[in-house]
Amino acid sequence: AQSVTQLDSHVSVSEGTPVLLRCNYSSSYSPSLFWYVQHPNKGLQLLLKYTSAATLVKGINGFEAEFKKSETSFHLTKPSAHMSDAAEYFCAGTQGGSEKLVFGKGTKLTVNP
Amino acid sequence: ETGVTQSPTHLIKTRGQQVTLRCSSQSGHNTVSWYQQALGQGPQFIFQYYREEENGRGNFPPRFSGLQFPNYSSELNVNALELDDSALYLCASSHLGASLAKNIQYFGAGTRLSVL
Repeated sequence: AQSVTQLDSHVSVSEGTPVLLRCNYSSSYSPSLFWYVQHPNKGLQLLLKYTSAATLVKGINGFEAEFKKSETSFHLTKPSAHMSDAAEYFCAGTQGGSEKLVFGKGTKLTVNP
Repeated sequence: ETGVTQSPTHLIKTRGQQVTLRCSSQSGHNTVSWYQQALGQGPQFIFQYYREEENGRGNFPPRFSGLQFPNYSSELNVNALELDDSALYLCASSHLGASLAKNIQYFGAGTRLSVL
């Protein structure tokens, strides 16, 4: 069965410094993996999606993620944090032909001035 | 904006009551999925509707039910509300049958349900 684990419930960075949000997955099959962002009182916005076409996936707003099968990881990174990046981030996955998204518990990103 | 709209945005009910939440899917999408997001948690899959039929269900009791209409909009109904049903309910639309790269779920802003 597919499961997704976000390793940090809260990450705090200074504006202009790199961001790393960690996600590990567990799946018997090649998964599709996603990162979504949720700003306060808003729905989920897709940042990027991995579907096995390329291991390094570029998303919106300067975010990217690298799929590492050997480490079963799909960490989200951004070279330089902006104040507007402060939000909750969710890693999610599907398995096989299922469209059911399995989400991690989320990582709250705080960006300090 | 994703083009997925949900109504109402907020709702307050009392225990034992019934509630109906609504979702209009993005143009061109034929599938609607519903998720429950409790405070401080990630969204949990409730069920999915494709061409007006349930197409997969998560670990939720039968008092959670749904409908999908010919225009692909959808309703989530919850009977006999319990305090633990208080959550943000998210609807997502997608196009089942699209290529893997294009099969993406787009979320609405959600309905926040409070059960007192």
